Amino acid sequence: AQRVTQPEKLLSVFKGAPVELKCNYSYSGSPELFWYVQYSRQRLQLLLRHISRESIKGFTADLNKGETSFHLKKPFAQEEDSAMYYCALSGNNQGGKLIFGQGTELSVKP
Amino acid sequence: NAGVTQTPKFRILKIGQSMTLQCAQDMNHNYMYWYRQDPGMGLKLIYYSVGAGITDKGEVPNGYNVSRSTTEDFPLRLELAAPSQTSVYFCASSYEGPTSSPLHFGNGTRLTVT
Repeated sequence: AQRVTQPEKLLSVFKGAPVELKCNYSYSGSPELFWYVQYSRQRLQLLLRHISRESIKGFTADLNKGETSFHLKKPFAQEEDSAMYYCALSGNNQGGKLIFGQGTELSVKP
Repeated sequence: NAGVTQTPKFRILKIGQSMTLQCAQDMNHNYMYWYRQDPGMGLKLIYYSVGAGITDKGEVPNGYNVSRSTTEDFPLRLELAAPSQTSVYFCASSYEGPTSSPLHFGNGTRLTVT
């Protein structure tokens, strides 16, 4: 069965420090991984997807199939990065299903 | 363009009561989803639909029912409310599915069952 695990409920860093939000997955097929973000009083929205291999708001994420991970990274955290981050998994034979991890709350202190 | 609209925003139910959570989208999206969000548990998929007339179970479908008679609407039905169904419910839609197009989320419905 497919599963997404985000081991940290809360991650607190100071402004300018590097950030890494961890995500591990379990899936037997070819996975599609995503990061969604929910800022305070805003709707949940897509941050980035592994297939695009792009950097959004300074965040990057690399799919590591050997370690079944898709960690989200940013070299220098900003206060406006404070939000709830969710890792999500779909796949080539999922028929449109998208499942989420438990979420990690990122708090960036001044 | 309203996006994904959920009603009501808040609701308190007594055990055993029934209700329907409404979800509508005006983006002509084919895919629609219902999730519940519990503290520390993230988002759990209840049901989803890849088009009008087609629905499928997610991770936690027990106690819920859905229908998709039109492209725009995807109501979620609770027949016999239980305290375990106290949660925040999110509806989402996507044009071609998550691997091709992002999910657009509604603002959520906060449901309390007492």
